[in-house]
Amino acid sequence: AQSVTQLGSHVSVSEGALVLLRCNYSSSVPPYLFWYVQYPNQGLQLLLKYTSAATLVKGINGFEAEFKKSETSFHLTKPSAHMSDAAEYFCAVSSNAGGTSYGKLTFGQGTILTVHP
Amino acid sequence: GAGVSQSPSNKVTEKGKDVELRCDPISGHTALYWYRQSLGQGLEFLIYFQGNSAPDKSGLPSDRFSAERTGGSVSTLTIQRTQQEDSAVYLCASLPSASSYNSPLHFGNGTRLTVT
Repeated sequence: AQSVTQLGSHVSVSEGALVLLRCNYSSSVPPYLFWYVQYPNQGLQLLLKYTSAATLVKGINGFEAEFKKSETSFHLTKPSAHMSDAAEYFCAVSSNAGGTSYGKLTFGQGTILTVHP
Repeated sequence: GAGVSQSPSNKVTEKGKDVELRCDPISGHTALYWYRQSLGQGLEFLIYFQGNSAPDKSGLPSDRFSAERTGGSVSTLTIQRTQQEDSAVYLCASLPSASSYNSPLHFGNGTRLTVT
C-alpha cells in the first residue's frame, strides 16, 4: 500500500519569495514520485518526476524537488514565486508494481498556492 | 488529436439517471486511465486499461460504475443510478503503454458531473 501526505492545504507567498510545498510518502517498494499542477478549469500538468535516477529533479517553470529516502519526502521548491504560479499542486506516488502500473497513481490532497504582490 | 479529449465537459443529471462519459486518448497510446476528483476524496484512481489485457478495476467505488474500451482507443465510463456523491470531475489520462515510465501521464480537462 502507498500513501501521500501534503502538509498544508493552502500556502500563501509573496511574489519573489521562496515557494516550498511539502510532500511525504509511504511506499512498500521503491517509489516513483511526481508533482502535478492544476490551473483553474484545466487538467493536470506534470511539473516533474523522480524515477530512481538523480535525487534532485528539475522540472518546468523553475520548479525542482529533492527525493530524500531517509525522510520519505519529496518537497517541491521554487526560489522566486511568480503570480502565474498560483494554482493547485498535487504530489503523487506510483509503485510501478510489476512494471505495468506506472500510471496508477496515489495522489495527495493537494496544496493551493496563492501568490500575492 | 494533440491531447486527451473528454466529452462532455459538463454534465448535469438527475439522481437515479445513468450517465456516460467519453475519453479519446492520444493516438497510439495503449494505456488509458480514469480518475475522479472530488471535494471530499481528492484525486482517486478508478480503472485502467492496457491494450487487450483485462482492466484493473480496483479503484471503482461501487458496482454502479463500469468502463469499457472498444477497439483499444476510445473509452466510456458509465455510472448507473447516479447519486449525489457521484458529483465530481472525472479525469482521463493516457500513456504510450502502462510501462512507459519515461513518459508523462497526459490528462484531459475532465468532465464535471453534477447530480441534482
